Amino acid sequence: DGGITQSPKYLFRKEGQNVTLSCEQNLNHDAMYWYRQDPGQGLRLIYYSQIVNDFQKGDIAEGYSVSREKKESFPLTVTSAQKNPTAFYLCASSPRQKPGMYGYTFGSGTRLTVV
Amino acid sequence: DQQVKQNSPSLSVQEGRISILNCDYTNSMFDYFLWYKKYPAEGPTFLISISSIKDKNEDGRFTVFLNKSAKHLSLHIVPSQPGDSAVYFCAASARRDSNYQLIWGAGTKLIIKP
Repeated sequence: DGGITQSPKYLFRKEGQNVTLSCEQNLNHDAMYWYRQDPGQGLRLIYYSQIVNDFQKGDIAEGYSVSREKKESFPLTVTSAQKNPTAFYLCASSPRQKPGMYGYTFGSGTRLTVV
Repeated sequence: DQQVKQNSPSLSVQEGRISILNCDYTNSMFDYFLWYKKYPAEGPTFLISISSIKDKNEDGRFTVFLNKSAKHLSLHIVPSQPGDSAVYFCAASARRDSNYQLIWGAGTKLIIKP
């Protein structure tokens, strides 16, 4: 079955550490996205990528970095520069054209907690 | 600038009755509108969408209505069931950086009372 897989489901980070969240899809989608959700809030876009080896900053990119070396993979690194990293992180993918028609497919999320 | 707004943070409805979730938007260039459902600690799942050239789309218990003159859309769930308790996000498709992306509302938490 095609889908999008995020790992790990839960992640704990010490102050000052970088951590990397994994996102893999086998839907053959060109576009991939990272969102952050905080309690009681909507989805905020961190980074997105429309094609391999290219990505763009979203609305809250500071303290995060990404790479897109393969079509299937879009890992997100939460760096020590991110002041408040505790949140629920969601990865999504879509066909590059007309995502409104097909929608995004989301992974099940990673809960990151700073300890 | 919040282009997609869901003004009700939460809504409580009796099981079996109609649930109506609302969404307002400001950009008349949106080409599609979508509704997603999200349970805690899970990713959102697609429910239903509507093209900007239509005014109604129906799928089983779910119907979305689009009022372009008012820049307003609504999701109707009839009849409401306990499993419908979740957060519902409204999203709209817009052009950004030569491609299309989804712009999201803040979500409405729907609680179905037995």
